[in-house]
Amino acid sequence: EAGVAQSPRYKIIEKRQSVAFWCNPISGHATLYWYQQILGQGPKLLIQFQNNGVVDDSQLPKDRFSAERLKGVDSTLKIQPAKLEDSAVYLCASSLEVLNTQYFGPGTRLTVL
Amino acid sequence: DQQVKQNSPSLSVQEGRISILNCDYTNSMFDYFLWYKKYPAEGPTFLISISSIKDKNEDGRFTVFLNKSAKHLSLHIVPSQPGDSAVYFCAGTSGTYKYIFGTGTRLKVLA
Repeated sequence: EAGVAQSPRYKIIEKRQSVAFWCNPISGHATLYWYQQILGQGPKLLIQFQNNGVVDDSQLPKDRFSAERLKGVDSTLKIQPAKLEDSAVYLCASSLEVLNTQYFGPGTRLTVL
Repeated sequence: DQQVKQNSPSLSVQEGRISILNCDYTNSMFDYFLWYKKYPAEGPTFLISISSIKDKNEDGRFTVFLNKSAKHLSLHIVPSQPGDSAVYFCAGTSGTYKYIFGTGTRLKVLA
């Protein structure tokens, strides 16, 4: 069974630029999560999708971050414009349903200069 | 407010000995806990979980203990192996999807 795929693996941008991350969850997983992990901290949930609907985006900085999950499969997370404090690893996870174990992708390491 | 705390940022253990990783939580609504292991440049992988109706759960070399009165859980790895060297995160949830993660403990198993 293929795992959660994410791309790119690394991205370096300058502040005020925009960036997008892509996630392909495990086949058949209805629930998809985006996490932000800042160095030295644990992952923090940004947004959760159930199929193509948003369940929770309470910790998503909506003035600059956006996410979508068209057709209930792949998802894209965008930052526009980026700030220095957005430097982090962005992890995508998926689960079969809401209360099931979450499986993580390898993450995208973003560096904002 | 850090609802899940892992107060030891790192731990070194000799191969073959026991590794004990600790985790404290403040949210009394948490009823399910998980441990994830993370290797460099990889995402966290699920290791073991425990429901609040239990005080112990075992899976091979890994055992998680839960002390609800102390709001404390621990992960025991016996015997420790060099391949166990990784960062370990504990997470709690209150019966919802939302995992609250600790800051992680870096375990180094010395050969």
